[in-house]
Amino acid sequence: GNSVTQMEGPVTLSEEAFLTINCTYTATGYPSLFWYVQYPGEGLQLLLKATKADDKGSNKGFEATYRKETTSFHLEKGSVQVSDSAVYFCALSMNYGGSQGNLIFGKGTKLSVKP
Amino acid sequence: DAGVTQSPTHLIKTRGQQVTLRCSPKSGHDTVSWYQQALGQGPQFIFQYYEEEERQRGNFPDRFSGHQFPNYSSELNVNALLLGDSALYLCASSAKTTGLAGRYEQYFGPGTRLTVT
Repeated sequence: GNSVTQMEGPVTLSEEAFLTINCTYTATGYPSLFWYVQYPGEGLQLLLKATKADDKGSNKGFEATYRKETTSFHLEKGSVQVSDSAVYFCALSMNYGGSQGNLIFGKGTKLSVKP
Repeated sequence: DAGVTQSPTHLIKTRGQQVTLRCSPKSGHDTVSWYQQALGQGPQFIFQYYEEEERQRGNFPDRFSGHQFPNYSSELNVNALLLGDSALYLCASSAKTTGLAGRYEQYFGPGTRLTVT
């Protein structure tokens, strides 16, 4: 079946450090890929997305490129801030004839950024 | 523009009881999905409603049921509660008829924290 695997956390970085959170997927077909962020005590917010191979999603300094050949969608940021501390979820969605499939999530990676 | 809203925020129930959670979608959205997020885990898909019908369902027992109303709001009902049903329940809305740019985006509410004792 379809699934998402992301690197286990927690990840602890110093402010201004480079961030990479690895995400790989298994899917029959061509999924759309997403990164969601969950701040403490809140619901999920869409951070970025990519809907086809080689697309690059970007938002708030975060980037991820849809790599079909390696079935990956790694999240990167060049310089993290304390305010980036949160749990990050990689997810995929299959799309059937224009109908939106449900989201399948990884287990999440907790990021803590120290000043 | 109000986003996705959910009620109540927190809920404590006893094993065997029944619970109803409510969700109002983002303005302009017509599709509602429900997810269960256990502590320390990613959300798991329960089901999705569109045009007042259940369109997709995840691997959850029949104790989990739902409803969508003509104004697109939705309810999640769980019967015969088990301790393992304790989780954050997330509602997400999307627009099936949105143009391609926004078609795959689901917007999440803050969730309802259910504790079963």
